[in-house]
Amino acid sequence: DADVTQTPRNRITKTGKRIMLECSQTKGHDRMYWYRQDPGLGLRLIYYSFDVKDINKGEISDGYSVSRQAQAKFSLSLESAIPNQTALYFCATSTGVNEQFFGPGTRLTVL
Amino acid sequence: QKEVEQDPGPLSVPEGAIVSLNCTYSNSAFQYFMWYRQYSRKGPELLMYTYSSGNKEDGRFTAQVDKSSKYISLFIRDSQPSDSATYLCALATGANSKLTFGKGITLSVRP
Repeated sequence: DADVTQTPRNRITKTGKRIMLECSQTKGHDRMYWYRQDPGLGLRLIYYSFDVKDINKGEISDGYSVSRQAQAKFSLSLESAIPNQTALYFCATSTGVNEQFFGPGTRLTVL
Repeated sequence: QKEVEQDPGPLSVPEGAIVSLNCTYSNSAFQYFMWYRQYSRKGPELLMYTYSSGNKEDGRFTAQVDKSSKYISLFIRDSQPSDSATYLCALATGANSKLTFGKGITLSVRP
């Protein structure tokens, strides 16, 4: 079984809809992250959490919110999706700065 | 100037070639230097990790850090078609800091 799982793997939605992307991990790591990846722009950090009570904005948090429901679960929400949020979204976990473990990604299309 | 610059590529080489991938950075506070490899339709995975300056070798891969020039490199010897992937550099300033990624370069090794 994968250590970091993301659901759904693919999602097509319409402008204005609320979307939640979920991430679960079995690695026992405290730190969790949400990134988006766009062609030509690389990986950009949306939000990160160093423990259940800690939530921090990344470089592109506008239009997104997160919830850390437990050590193992970190959800990303798009309150009102817009087309420029079409991207590949990755969740990652780590114990520190040395290595982040990424999930398989969620491909989101906003029409 | 962006904090981390990486040649956008793509790069295509014949099998057996020596590949050199590079990133430059502007923030002298970076102390942790990583290379991630990302296969198509997968999440990135850590390939090499270096703290501070110097070289690190792992099989056919060598990571090099030159802090005086703010320049990091990944060398791949005897490149194989299985090395075809996107390579992203990632840097961090401290043990509790987030990673700053380069945009990634896509490498194709032709049989």
